[in-house]
Amino acid sequence: DIQMTQSPSSLSASIGDRVTITCQASQDISYYLNWYQQKPGKAPRLLIYDASNLRTGVPSRFSGSGSGTDFTFTISSLQPEDIGTYYCQQFQNLITFGPGTKVDIK
Amino acid sequence: QVQLVQSGAEVKKPGSSVKVSCRTSGDTFSSFAISWVRQAPGQGLDWMGGIIPIFNTTHYAQKFQGRVTITADESSSTAYMELNTLRSDDTGVYFCARATTVTKPTGYFEYYMDLWGSGTTVTVSS
Repeated sequence: DIQMTQSPSSLSASIGDRVTITCQASQDISYYLNWYQQKPGKAPRLLIYDASNLRTGVPSRFSGSGSGTDFTFTISSLQPEDIGTYYCQQFQNLITFGPGTKVDIK
Repeated sequence: QVQLVQSGAEVKKPGSSVKVSCRTSGDTFSSFAISWVRQAPGQGLDWMGGIIPIFNTTHYAQKFQGRVTITADESSSTAYMELNTLRSDDTGVYFCARATTVTKPTGYFEYYMDLWGSGTTVTVSS
C-alpha cells in the first residue's frame, strides 16, 4: 500500500497570507496526485488533479506542484472562505488519502 | 444537474450489516466509477473501494477487503455499499463519489472524484 503524509497537520494564517501544505508519498507516484478541500459538515471538493491541474471553476489562488514522492499545495492569498481541511490523494495504486491539513484564520 | 443521492441515516448493532445506496443519472453510470469514502467522527477520509459499472469491475482497499461489497444496479443507476460485521469504530459518515477513470496496463481504475453525495451517517451502537 502507498502511504501518504501531510504537513503541517494544522495551521493558522492571516487573510492575504501565502499558505503552503506539503504531501509526501511512501513511493514514487509520478504525478498521480489530487487535492481536495473539505469544509465542516460538507463533502470534499476537488481542487487540483494530476498534481498541478486546476479544476475548472476553482479560483486561481489555489495551485499544486510536484512529482515523484514530494508535492506542494499553495494558496497564494488566503481568503476567509478557504478555511477547512485539505487532503492529498494518490491514485498510482488504488486510492489513498493523506491525513489532512486543517487551515484556519489567525 | 447531476447529483448523487444517498440513502438515509442508519443505526446498527455490532455484528450486523449495513447497506447504503447512492443513486445517480444514467450518464454517470455509463461513463464513470462510483467510489465509497468513509469519514469517522473528527477523522480524515478513508477510501473503501469503488465500482466501474460499465465493466462491472470492483476495487477494494486492503483495510476493508472481505468485509465490504460494492455493487451497481444499472437499471436504476444506483450503487450500493454493504459493510458486514459492524463494529463501533465503523461509526461515521459514508460518502459516495463519482470518479473519473484512468487507463493503466492492468485495466481501468479510479482517478479523481469530482462529484460527491452528501453522506450517510452510520452509527454502530449496542
